[in-house]
Amino acid sequence: DTEVTQTPKHLVMGMTNKKSLKCEQHMGHRAMYWYKQKAKKPPELMFVYSYEKLSINESVPSRFSPECPNSSLLNLHLHALQPEDSALYLCASSQDLALEIYNEQFFGPGTRLTVL
Amino acid sequence: DQQVKQNSPSLSVQEGRISILNCDYTNSMFDYFLWYKKYPAEGPTFLISISSIKDKNEDGRFTVFLNKSAKHLSLHIVPSQPGDSAVYFCAAKGGATNKLIFGTGTLLAVQP
Repeated sequence: DTEVTQTPKHLVMGMTNKKSLKCEQHMGHRAMYWYKQKAKKPPELMFVYSYEKLSINESVPSRFSPECPNSSLLNLHLHALQPEDSALYLCASSQDLALEIYNEQFFGPGTRLTVL
Repeated sequence: DQQVKQNSPSLSVQEGRISILNCDYTNSMFDYFLWYKKYPAEGPTFLISISSIKDKNEDGRFTVFLNKSAKHLSLHIVPSQPGDSAVYFCAAKGGATNKLIFGTGTLLAVQP
């Protein structure tokens, strides 16, 4: 199984809603990532988890709250988002942060989020 | 500050011909480079990579060339096929983290 899955595929939410994005991988990878991609822009890193611990937070606003319940799952909890947060949210995983360089990231299909 | 640049937003190539996608970077600490392909409504798919100790890596129809002195890499696809039509992102990493810095992407259209 070389797949990263993400649910839901599409999400529309109001600015007062609370919602969660989910990501799952069964490749035994120990590093997982959240990226945000706006239209016609490259993916931008938000968070990195290594062995279920938050390793990198790229100064993301607190209205985005990541969670890694176990080595296969990664969640992104959303609360009080703004319309400018509308984007494609991509999850990725890789074997291990500690391994030197040969450490490709495998991406899921993304969740298309619209904030009204 | 765009550390990884893809100066051609789009490229159109005839089926069977060579596609050459270019990427430039500014950070000399980058030591590993990757190419991803992205179809609409899908996540990026890993295509091919190269470490800074090499200047060429080949995988089937795909070859990546690295010119460290020029801080330039290119992806060659030959022969190009209509199914290769997608956005291609170049990405780079370096240092202790596995943080990828992506270029802005090149939309490749392979005409039948």
